[in-house]
Amino acid sequence: DADVTQTPRNRITKTGKRIMLECSQTKGHDRMYWYRQDPGLGLRLIYYSFDVKDINKGEISDGYSVSRQAQAKFSLSLESAIPNQTALYFCATRGTGDYGYTFGSGTRLTVV
Amino acid sequence: AQSVTQPDIHITVSEGASLELRCNYSYGATPYLFWYVQSPGQGLQLLLKYFSGDTLVQGIKGFEAEFKRSQSSFNLRKPSVHWSDAAEYFCAVVVSYNTDKLIFGTGTRLQVFP
Repeated sequence: DADVTQTPRNRITKTGKRIMLECSQTKGHDRMYWYRQDPGLGLRLIYYSFDVKDINKGEISDGYSVSRQAQAKFSLSLESAIPNQTALYFCATRGTGDYGYTFGSGTRLTVV
Repeated sequence: AQSVTQPDIHITVSEGASLELRCNYSYGATPYLFWYVQSPGQGLQLLLKYFSGDTLVQGIKGFEAEFKRSQSSFNLRKPSVHWSDAAEYFCAVVVSYNTDKLIFGTGTRLQVFP
């Protein structure tokens, strides 16, 4: 099994729908992150969490929310999806003191 | 604001040729520096990282990178490219341990011709 698992891998949803992207990890890492990738823009940080009770906004958090259900689980929600949220979403983890970020395989989200 | 620049959007090389991908960062102090590779349909894989010490860093798959403080650069190199190296490459920096923000460049897509 992958160290960082994202579900679903692909999703098409309609404008205005609520959608949740899930991330789980087996690394035992405290820190988890959600990034969004758009062509020509690289990856941009949406939210990050240092532990279950510590959640922080990244540079593009508007329109998104997160939930850290457990050390191993970090979910990203789009309360009311809009077409410009069409992107590839990555979850990542890293351990305290270790800068070796581990990325999931990504969720490709299309909002129509 | 801190930023990472990858000036080359797309590079094409022949198999067996040498490769250099450029990365420049904008930050007053020495950041933590990374190179990641993304194969089509895949997540990001760490190639190498620099925190301190020897400015020439060896990574996986035969890649190396050199940190040059005077040029604010962290260029990725490989002496002989293989067709399997075709992918997108991202340079990234962490500029603050406390904020823990990994900032990515916009990526360089590498195409390899046989």
